[in-house]
Amino acid sequence: SAVISQKPSRDICQRGTSLTIQCQVDSQVTMMFWYRQQPGQSLTLIATANQGSEATYESGFVIDKFPISRPNLTFSTLTVSNMSPEDSSIYLCSGGQTLNTEAFFGQGTRLTVV
Amino acid sequence: GENVEQHPSTLSVQEGDSAVIKCTYSDSASNYFPWYKQELGKGPQLIIDIRSNVGEKKDQRIAVTLNKTAKHFSLHITETQPEDSAVYFCAARPQGTQGGSEKLVFGKGMKLTVNP
Repeated sequence: SAVISQKPSRDICQRGTSLTIQCQVDSQVTMMFWYRQQPGQSLTLIATANQGSEATYESGFVIDKFPISRPNLTFSTLTVSNMSPEDSSIYLCSGGQTLNTEAFFGQGTRLTVV
Repeated sequence: GENVEQHPSTLSVQEGDSAVIKCTYSDSASNYFPWYKQELGKGPQLIIDIRSNVGEKKDQRIAVTLNKTAKHFSLHITETQPEDSAVYFCAARPQGTQGGSEKLVFGKGMKLTVNP
């Protein structure tokens, strides 16, 4: 299994600012994903982070609001831009091994926008 | 697209009892069904999964069954313990995704409380 670490684990941010969340995997993974989980809710996929190319966004999520980088097979970042209180949520990074359909999650980043 | 329904939304049992969580999916071509356990303040942890070529899978006190005809799958936990208390999510992998860690569609989750 892959071990996924996220930083920061939590943050309180002012509206209008941006926060970049880092995701580090202890081994190379084929694909990485970013999810949002609002309090008491399920996981909603934001985008697939593609190594060496632009991320693939799900309906309702756009690159200007959630720019994503993936410079290599073990690291990705998600930026939440121009934050508003509605962006308060848990953001989760996920990834898995090549030829293995298991997906593992980081511990999440709890974001509060005030 | 794929839609995953999960029920019940909450379940409370006494320690030692069994717990069953049921999920249905809409895309008959979905072929991978994992279950995650999420404890408070932590990320989801994969506890068991099943692929469409298998009808049942067991791992100690946990088992998962899959009925492809009816498009539903269930998680069974026997001899529950207080540390089983958590939110459990089912998920399905929809058709058309590439090899590797395909994107998953999650159910809404079920909060399990095991009372000592």
